[in-house]
Amino acid sequence: EAGVTQSPRYAVLQEGQAVSFWCDPISGHDTLYWYQQPRDQGPQLLVYFRDEAVIDNSQLPSDRFSAVRPKGTNSTLKIQSAKQGDTATYLCASSPGTGGNERLFFGHGTKLSVL
Amino acid sequence: GDSVTQTEGLVTLTKGLPVMLNCTYQTTYSPFLFWYVQHLNEAPKLLLKSSTDNKRTEHQGFYATLHKSSSSFHLQKSSVQLSDSALYFCALSDLGSNYQLIWGSGTKLIIKP
Repeated sequence: EAGVTQSPRYAVLQEGQAVSFWCDPISGHDTLYWYQQPRDQGPQLLVYFRDEAVIDNSQLPSDRFSAVRPKGTNSTLKIQSAKQGDTATYLCASSPGTGGNERLFFGHGTKLSVL
Repeated sequence: GDSVTQTEGLVTLTKGLPVMLNCTYQTTYSPFLFWYVQHLNEAPKLLLKSSTDNKRTEHQGFYATLHKSSSSFHLQKSSVQLSDSALYFCALSDLGSNYQLIWGSGTKLIIKP
């Protein structure tokens, strides 16, 4: 079974530049999550989708971050104007549902450095 | 609101010794508890999960028991190996979190030869 695929693996930006992260979840998983993980910290949920609908984006800095999942499969997370504080690994995860005990399957992440 | 506390930020042990990583939580609902492990430059992977009070759950030599009376779900292993060096996260989900994972801050486990 193919896992969750993310690209790129690494990104290095100057402040003010834009960047997009792409995620291909496991086939058949209707729930997709984007997390931000600062170095040596736990993942922090940014946004999650069920199919193409945004279920919760309350932790997404809406002035600079956006996320879409137009066909309910792949997803893109975009940072419009990156700041040094955005330096982190961005993890995509998927699960077959949103029940309380669902296991999340994570991609390897995109490691972002903003200089 | 819900919260998860991992008291040790860093644990360093010699190979072959036992380990216990602490996890306590706060919630007013009936929770699901999880341990995820993240090796260097890898994605987090599920290690254990439980929602049953006082039942031991085991996987890959690690085990944990959910104790609702003390709101704890400590992770243990009787003899650690070099390959156990990783970040370990405790997480919770329940109705109060809208069944989204609430993560602890993580414990970095370093195993020395």
